[in-house]
Amino acid sequence: QVQLVESGGGAVQPGRSLRLSCVASGFTLSNYVMHWVRLVPGKGLEWVAVISDDGRSKFYGDSVKGRFTISRDNSRNTLSLQMNNLTAEDTAVFYCARTPTNKITVAGARFDYWGQGTAVIVSS
Amino acid sequence: DIQMTQSPSSLSASIGDRVTITCRTSQSISNYLNWYQLKPGKAPRLLIYGASSLESGVPSRFSGSGTGTDFTLTISSLQPEDVATYFCQRSYRTPPYIFGQGTKVQIK
Repeated sequence: QVQLVESGGGAVQPGRSLRLSCVASGFTLSNYVMHWVRLVPGKGLEWVAVISDDGRSKFYGDSVKGRFTISRDNSRNTLSLQMNNLTAEDTAVFYCARTPTNKITVAGARFDYWGQGTAVIVSS
Repeated sequence: DIQMTQSPSSLSASIGDRVTITCRTSQSISNYLNWYQLKPGKAPRLLIYGASSLESGVPSRFSGSGTGTDFTLTISSLQPEDVATYFCQRSYRTPPYIFGQGTKVQIK
């Protein structure tokens, strides 16, 4: 069955970096657009970033643009999120999620599978 | 930018009650609206896509309706396992992918 397993979260000081990973199984990663979405305490879900099936196209939410980088290694079934210059506002549970399409800018995109998330706490 | 307003922010209902959650957008998004269920420590779950299509494996007590700017998620008979937070998400003119503010559902 489809599984997404995130790792790499933890507690970090403001200004530091962290790299999250998501290992996919049960489907062919290279056929799907993939995302990072976060659950911010007291605020709700916020979409973070998306990457095309071949890794060539990437888009980011305004709050992380210039600080976060999404990437993928289809040969290793892995999605990654490099997070630099972290602030307290980045404290959240981060989920990787799949869109059942191979195009980013398609109407009707939905997140059909999610991982269980990895928690990131940014605090001094 | 298209604004989304989800209501209520929380509700309490009895087992067996009919529960309704609303999502409104500032501009028409046709039927490009999805609904998700979040439980602590679990992977979020897609319930409804395309405003009214039930995702495979989701109990039939969940339903979605609406088009244009007004959308509804209905739980026809609330069950204990439905305690969760529910989010709507517009899938029109993406990215970005915008979520509603969330509705926390509890048992009275």
